[in-house]
Amino acid sequence: KAGVTQTPRYLIKTRGQQVTLSCSPISGHRSVSWYQQTPGQGLQFLFEYFSETQRNKGNFPGRFSGRQFSNSRSEMNVSTLELGDSALYLCASSYLAGNNEQFFGPGTRLTVL
Amino acid sequence: GQQVMQIPQYQHVQEGEDFTTYCNSSTTLSNIQWYKQRPGGHPVFLIQLVKSGEVKKQKRLTFQFGEAKKNSSLHITATQTTDVGTYFCAGPRNAGNNRKLIWGLGTSLGVNP
Repeated sequence: KAGVTQTPRYLIKTRGQQVTLSCSPISGHRSVSWYQQTPGQGLQFLFEYFSETQRNKGNFPGRFSGRQFSNSRSEMNVSTLELGDSALYLCASSYLAGNNEQFFGPGTRLTVL
Repeated sequence: GQQVMQIPQYQHVQEGEDFTTYCNSSTTLSNIQWYKQRPGGHPVFLIQLVKSGEVKKQKRLTFQFGEAKKNSSLHITATQTTDVGTYFCAGPRNAGNNRKLIWGLGTSLGVNP
């Protein structure tokens, strides 16, 4: 099976712009979770989608949003980018929702200038 | 709220020395998962422990789940340079009618050859 794919891998934006990141889960996986990773902050949970429904949401401002499509592919959007949004954004898929083994994609490295 | 604490945050060892990282939860966990993230890479699932007092081994890695299911440890015997990376533990937390994974901040392991 192909692994989790994320596009783009690298992105440079300027403050105030918006960005959309894409994640394709492993075939058959219906759960997609998004994380923000910055040095020293570990993995900060953004949200989880299962069967096109947002199941859980982390403590991020409303500028961060996401959605999931019927084929389980997911996108996350960040509007009005701030310098502090520079991070590695990781997507993880799992067969079931909740607390199951997560398969991570390579991530999208976002730099906000 | 439920937290998962990991110690130490960083550790450097000489190749051949042993290494242990500890994960402690403020509440009982139904399971604990361990992941490894190599520098520049993404987290990769290592193992899941479910039973109280469970011990599992993967070659030089030994994983334990505490009797009270509130703590866990990962022990590496005779470290090698290939063990370099950050080790994360994660446990599920009830969030309303759903569950989501709560992650420790990770232990970064450096190995001097």
